[in-house]
Amino acid sequence: GAGVSQSPSNKVTEKGKDVELRCDPISGHTALYWYRQSLGQGLEFLIYFQGNSAPDKSGLPSDRFSAERTGGSVSTLTIQRTQQEDSAVYLCASSRLGDNQPQHFGDGTRLSIL
Amino acid sequence: DAKTTQPNSMESNEEEPVHLPCNHSTISGTDYIHWYRQLPSQGPEYVIHGLTSNVNNRMASLAIAEDRKSSTLILHRATLRDAAVYYCILRDWGRGGSNYKLTFGKGTLLTVNP
Repeated sequence: GAGVSQSPSNKVTEKGKDVELRCDPISGHTALYWYRQSLGQGLEFLIYFQGNSAPDKSGLPSDRFSAERTGGSVSTLTIQRTQQEDSAVYLCASSRLGDNQPQHFGDGTRLSIL
Repeated sequence: DAKTTQPNSMESNEEEPVHLPCNHSTISGTDYIHWYRQLPSQGPEYVIHGLTSNVNNRMASLAIAEDRKSSTLILHRATLRDAAVYYCILRDWGRGGSNYKLTFGKGTLLTVNP
């Protein structure tokens, strides 16, 4: 079946511009996660959505970052007034609800801030 | 949180078995051992997980030491497609809370020679 789909796959933008990254999770997965991975670094948790519960936004690095999940499906991560340190691969994952459910990742959006 | 230690890199030949070790000497009784891998330019991919008993699936086997202070991911016949960074992580389902946040370390870079 279809996996997690992310768009765009690559995004190059100028410092100070806003960007929107999209994630389409696997159908039936109620949990959705955003991470970012900087060059040569490990995964950094950003935000977690689970059903209708309030999202866990504890990983968002600044108030320039926000995310929403409409209708319990598609999610959008928005970065306002981008900075060069925002350059990274932004990964979305989804999973079923339950203990030890594996997270299924998309291939990410590679964001480059000039 | 309990920490894992993995070799930085390993090398294998195609069609030979590969044993990827992971040390987790401070593992708690409620920590599950999870393995993910990340192929070049792709998002992480779930491989396998276990608690105490050895586990097998279509991708790999997981051998867990009796004292649970170490584990080994076994790829029975390596292929070129198995070249990736392999991550061993612990997920604690005993405390609840934010155990959905995956934290990847540096992992082991597996090179498969033809």
